[in-house]
Amino acid sequence: QKEVEQNSGPLSVPEGAIASLNCTYSDRGSQSFFWYRQYSGKSPELIMFIYSNGDKEDGRFTAQLNKASQYVSLLIRDSQPSDSATYLCAVNSYQAGTALIFGKGTTLSVSS
Amino acid sequence: GAGVSQTPSNKVTEKGKYVELRCDPISGHTALYWYRQSLGQGPEFLIYFQGTGAADDSGLPNDRFFAVRPEGSVSTLKIQRTERGDSAVYLCASSLTGGQGETQYFGPGTRLLVL
Repeated sequence: QKEVEQNSGPLSVPEGAIASLNCTYSDRGSQSFFWYRQYSGKSPELIMFIYSNGDKEDGRFTAQLNKASQYVSLLIRDSQPSDSATYLCAVNSYQAGTALIFGKGTTLSVSS
Repeated sequence: GAGVSQTPSNKVTEKGKYVELRCDPISGHTALYWYRQSLGQGPEFLIYFQGTGAADDSGLPNDRFFAVRPEGSVSTLKIQRTERGDSAVYLCASSLTGGQGETQYFGPGTRLLVL
């Protein structure tokens, strides 16, 4: 059973703080990792993807991947109220074909 | 089009009825996916099309669910004898070629409510 686990939250941070979102996955064959943001009542939109161990930065967002620990995280620096949303972790493996396996998502609330 | 579009945006039906949900992918994208998202859950994979053929239908929950993509563009998800447990948001996504690790772009979804 391929699983992706996330803490459902809510994770509450003050404006300007760093928000840290975590995700673990069970399938060691997972190759590609995605973070999607989903506002309430809207569809998921891609924030970042990462394939290799280490960090990947894009503006205020940093994705971190540790394949040995089967762990992927998303850091949001200088959090803004507009970052308040549910963040979905998704993984893709050769065994799963091209389908994405999603976690349940972590709800982030940024207070001003 | 500019993005993935789905119709209708909302569908209310009665238990036992038949429904069709439509997805129009991003122009030029050969890969098309259907997912289902229940309240408080992440999207759950249903079926993947590469061109006109269903390359992976392992996520369809039972034989009441069926999907087609006859011309390799628009896809229709069909649900027969709907049940209250089918109530969810049905999301369609497309990607350029369906390659491993390729970004999937999601449509706005169809919110299905079975009474």
